[in-house]
Amino acid sequence: NAGVTQTPKFQVLKTGQSMTLQCAQDMNHEYMSWYRQDPGMGLRLIHYSVGAGITDQGEVPNGYNVSRSTTEDFPLRLLSAAPSQTSVYFCASSSGLFYGYTFGSGTRLTVV
Amino acid sequence: GQQVMQIPQYQHVQEGEDFTTYCNSSTTLSNIQWYKQRPGGHPVFLIQLVKSGEVKKQKRLTFQFGEAKKNSSLHITATQTTDVGTYFCAGHEDSSYKLIFGSGTRLLVRP
Repeated sequence: NAGVTQTPKFQVLKTGQSMTLQCAQDMNHEYMSWYRQDPGMGLRLIHYSVGAGITDQGEVPNGYNVSRSTTEDFPLRLLSAAPSQTSVYFCASSSGLFYGYTFGSGTRLTVV
Repeated sequence: GQQVMQIPQYQHVQEGEDFTTYCNSSTTLSNIQWYKQRPGGHPVFLIQLVKSGEVKKQKRLTFQFGEAKKNSSLHITATQTTDVGTYFCAGHEDSSYKLIFGSGTRLLVRP
């Protein structure tokens, strides 16, 4: 099994550009989440989903959109990139509320 | 909203010494999970605690969930260089699907 696959691994954007970070899992997990990780700030929840067609906001949702049209895929869209969105982004999935999350290897995003 | 704090932020120990990190939530948690992230890597799930006062062990690692389900600790006995990394706690607030992470404790081990 591939687990959770994130693409791309690295990306540089100019301020104002938009892009989509891809996340796919092959474990048939219902729960999926996006986190960003900044130095000294741990992992902050951006958006999450508890099943296809169901999404909700996390701690820091501004500037990001998500959709969940299938169980496998959970893309994260940056609408108009800003330098404050420079971060490492992790996608994670779980089979339920009381199960651990499996993380992807991350996308390192730099906005200049 | 729910906040999860971890202390210390950083600890540097001699190999063979013990290490403890503490996790405190502003609200009651339905569960607590612990993750380890190696430098340059992604978080990896270690364990979950659900019951008040629960204690679980994994070899040299001991995990505790507080009686009030608002705090937790991870204790490593006789650290090894392979223990290097950042340890995160994370929890779901009661009736919430959001898994909120603490800020993490970075462990360095001197050989």
